[in-house]
Amino acid sequence: AQKVTQAQTEISVVEKEDVTLDCVYETRDTTYYLFWYKQPPSGELVFLIRRNSFDEQNEISGRYSWNFQKSTSSFNFTITASQVVDSAVYFCALSEGNRGSTLGRLYFGRGTQLTVWP
Amino acid sequence: DSGVTQTPKHLITATGQRVTLRCSPRSGDLSVYWYQQSLDQGLQFLIQYYNGEERAKGNILERFSAQQFPDLHSELNLSSLELGDSALYFCASSVGLGPHQPQHFGDGTRLSIL
Repeated sequence: AQKVTQAQTEISVVEKEDVTLDCVYETRDTTYYLFWYKQPPSGELVFLIRRNSFDEQNEISGRYSWNFQKSTSSFNFTITASQVVDSAVYFCALSEGNRGSTLGRLYFGRGTQLTVWP
Repeated sequence: DSGVTQTPKHLITATGQRVTLRCSPRSGDLSVYWYQQSLDQGLQFLIQYYNGEERAKGNILERFSAQQFPDLHSELNLSSLELGDSALYFCASSVGLGPHQPQHFGDGTRLSIL
């Protein structure tokens, strides 16, 4: 079973629109961590944010914000006033904290391709 | 720039061959991870090393092996290559061992099997 599901394969928006990327995760661990990564067309993976399972506070960083809801097992990512430079594939990832054998392993979703048109 | 260096950036070889991918972690990072990104499987965890020791194993084929050296750089060896091994191979590093550690990725090595 997929531990991280990103149901949106592709999203297209016009510059200055707000866009939300969905992420749903599945784990039996009580301690876990959620991450978002960005993969621009150049191919590298860029770390954006980490959230732990005990902290449901939303976080805002500039135009980026993240909404973590344990009740729905979701960790959604919103870009406000999108820009062309935001065009990339965005990955949500999970690491589980209760199991030593998988310590540090990241489970990635399949990614959402975001295209921002000028 | 993440500080993680992977070489080579591109590798083209034939089926049945063997290749070695190299990774230098960020300064101060003791953990190294290898991931494979393919269209079929997405991003898949292969293996993790911490301070020279193997610590976690994922979906790594028996034809693949890795090690981390005393200077903390790591190598991923792929042998008896098949067409399906064509993928982007990422190395990542983190300061420590725990699942809370953000992993910082290199630019990847694109492997093409002809």
